[in-house]
Amino acid sequence: KQEVTQIPAALSVPEGENLVLNCSFTDSAIYNLQWFRQDPGKGLTSLLLIQSSQREQTSGRLNASLDKSSGRSTLYIAASQPGDSATYLCAVVTTDSWGKLQFGAGTQVVVTP
Amino acid sequence: GAGVSQSPRYKVAKRGQDVALRCDPISGHVSLFWYQQALGQGPEFLTYFQNEAQLDKSGLPSDRFFAERPEGSVSTLKIQRTQQEDSAVYLCASSLLGGGETQYFGPGTRLLVL
Repeated sequence: KQEVTQIPAALSVPEGENLVLNCSFTDSAIYNLQWFRQDPGKGLTSLLLIQSSQREQTSGRLNASLDKSSGRSTLYIAASQPGDSATYLCAVVTTDSWGKLQFGAGTQVVVTP
Repeated sequence: GAGVSQSPRYKVAKRGQDVALRCDPISGHVSLFWYQQALGQGPEFLTYFQNEAQLDKSGLPSDRFFAERPEGSVSTLKIQRTQQEDSAVYLCASSLLGGGETQYFGPGTRLLVL
């Protein structure tokens, strides 16, 4: 059974610092891995999707890497801003599913001005 | 363009009541997913539709949970005889085709069972 873990559970950084968020998964037979952002009381917003054949994806200040063999992904957010404060969730789609996402519990990020 | 919408946004039910939660996916999206999110946890998969066909319902916690998508667009998640442990946020997501594409989430329905 696929297990997705995110460490740390919470993180607080001063504005301007780079953020590093970690995600690990136990079954390397994944189709893709996705990173989401969730604001309080809101749904999830997709940030990046990495296919299993890719090593990384970039969008603006965000960069996500994928090491399928070691079961790890890292989300980097450069030059953090207070508006980056949110909960970040990673999720994997395994190859034997219909595309259902299996989520970690998330990392709650606070960026202080 | 319109995103995924869900209604109601909040629902308070007395234990034992039946509830119905609605999801309007993005127009033209073939795939629709339901997830349940407990406080402080990541969402957990409930069920998946491709058009009107329910292809996976392995995540439904009990036979009190029932989902349908009769015309391949709007979906309803029904919970019969609600219990306190059903209290959670219920999220709906849709994707254009499926099979691991980006899923677009609605704002969720927060259900509180007293």
